[in-house]
Amino acid sequence: DVKVTQSSRYLVKRTGEKVFLECVQDMDHENMFWYRQDPGLGLRLIYFSYDVKMKEKGDIPEGYSVSREKKERFSLILESASTNQTSMYLCASSQTAYEQYFGPGTRLTVT
Amino acid sequence: AQSVTQPDIHITVSEGASLELRCNYSYGATPYLFWYVQSPGQGLQLLLKYFSGDTLVQGIKGFEAEFKRSQSSFNLRKPSVHWSDAAEYFCAVGGYNQGGKLIFGQGTELSVKP
Repeated sequence: DVKVTQSSRYLVKRTGEKVFLECVQDMDHENMFWYRQDPGLGLRLIYFSYDVKMKEKGDIPEGYSVSREKKERFSLILESASTNQTSMYLCASSQTAYEQYFGPGTRLTVT
Repeated sequence: AQSVTQPDIHITVSEGASLELRCNYSYGATPYLFWYVQSPGQGLQLLLKYFSGDTLVQGIKGFEAEFKRSQSSFNLRKPSVHWSDAAEYFCAVGGYNQGGKLIFGQGTELSVKP
C-alpha cells in the first residue's frame, strides 16, 4: 500500500513565523503535490513537483514556497505565516498521470 | 476551460436507500476520472478510477461509477447506503497531458439518516 505521511496533524503558529510542513511518500512516485482545503472552496493546488529539485506553481502559490531535495520528500514552506493561511493542508503523490494518494492532512492555525 | 462540477453541495439519504452523486466535467482530451472520499479530519481516499475500457467501474466499499462520454459525466452510485458512508465526496479529472495534475470538483457532502 502506498503511504503518504505528513509531519504534523495539527499545528498552531503565530503570525510572522516561518512554517515548514513536511510530506514523505514511500512508493518512489515521481509527482508530489501540495493542496490547501477550505470550506466551500474545495482543494486548491499550491505547488507540485514532478522530479527532484523541480517545482511548478499551482493555482495559489503566493505566500508559499516548496523544496524537494529527495524524491520521497516534499516540503511546503510558509515564509511568514499570516492568519489567512489558516487551513487544512494536504499532500499527495502520484506516478505519472495516474491516481494521487493523499496524506492525512495538517490542520494549521495561525494566530 | 477544464473544470469539474459537482452540482450538489449537500445530499441527505436514509440508511439503506440508494445513492447517486453527480459529476460533470469539461476536458479537452481523453479524461482520466476519479472519485475520492474524505472522512472528517482525514485525507482523501481513492474510491475508484476510470482510464479506459468498460465504462462501468467498480470501486471499494460497494461503490460504482459510470462514464458517459456523450454527457461528460461520471456519476457515483451505491445501491444501499450505510451510516459509515457519511463523508465528503470529490470527483476529479486528469489526463496524460496534465503531467499528473488533477482538477477537483467542489465536493458533495453526504449525510445519512438512520
